[in-house]
Amino acid sequence: SAVISQKPSRDICQRGTSLTIQCQVDSQVTMMFWYRQQPGQSLTLIATANQGSEATYESGFVIDKFPISRPNLTFSTLTVSNMSPEDSSIYLCSVVMVNTEAFFGQGTRLTVV
Amino acid sequence: QKEVEQNSGPLSVPEGAIASLNCTYSDRVSQSFFWYRQYSGKSPELIMSIYSNGDKEDGRFTAQLNKASQYVSLLIRDSQPSDSATYLCAVNPGSYQLTFGKGTKLSVIP
Repeated sequence: SAVISQKPSRDICQRGTSLTIQCQVDSQVTMMFWYRQQPGQSLTLIATANQGSEATYESGFVIDKFPISRPNLTFSTLTVSNMSPEDSSIYLCSVVMVNTEAFFGQGTRLTVV
Repeated sequence: QKEVEQNSGPLSVPEGAIASLNCTYSDRVSQSFFWYRQYSGKSPELIMSIYSNGDKEDGRFTAQLNKASQYVSLLIRDSQPSDSATYLCAVNPGSYQLTFGKGTKLSVIP
């Protein structure tokens, strides 16, 4: 497995502001993904972070709201823009190794007030 | 729409008993199947992966897969209070992306 460092681990933000979450992996990985887990719910895929190109977003998620970067094979960022209380969730970075097993970062617990 | 269904629970079992967690999936082309454990406030932790029909054992955990019935299960033998968590079933239809079930909350009663 890979060591995945995600930060910040938690934050409380004012509505209308933006937060950038970072995900750093200790080895080159095949795929990187960003998930959202709303309170009491399961994981929902936001997008696939593509190295050197635009992310691939799932239905219901758009680049203007959740811009994603992946400048190399070991690092990605997710920005939550123009936040509202409905964006309060846990955001998780995930990496997939060659055998398709997925591993998660520690998560970022976001509260928007 | 690809779906993964789990009984949300809570499932309560006494310490030392066998806990049985079930999962069904809708996408017949799914190739890889995973069980994750998630403690409250923590991120999911991979505990089992299974790729072919039959049973796969790892310590106290056994994963079972039946592709014809589109059914995956996880058995936890000699359940311990530390096993109390939410267990997420995840399915990979072949694109590296995972589809997660809503999870089953397991409580092991001392």
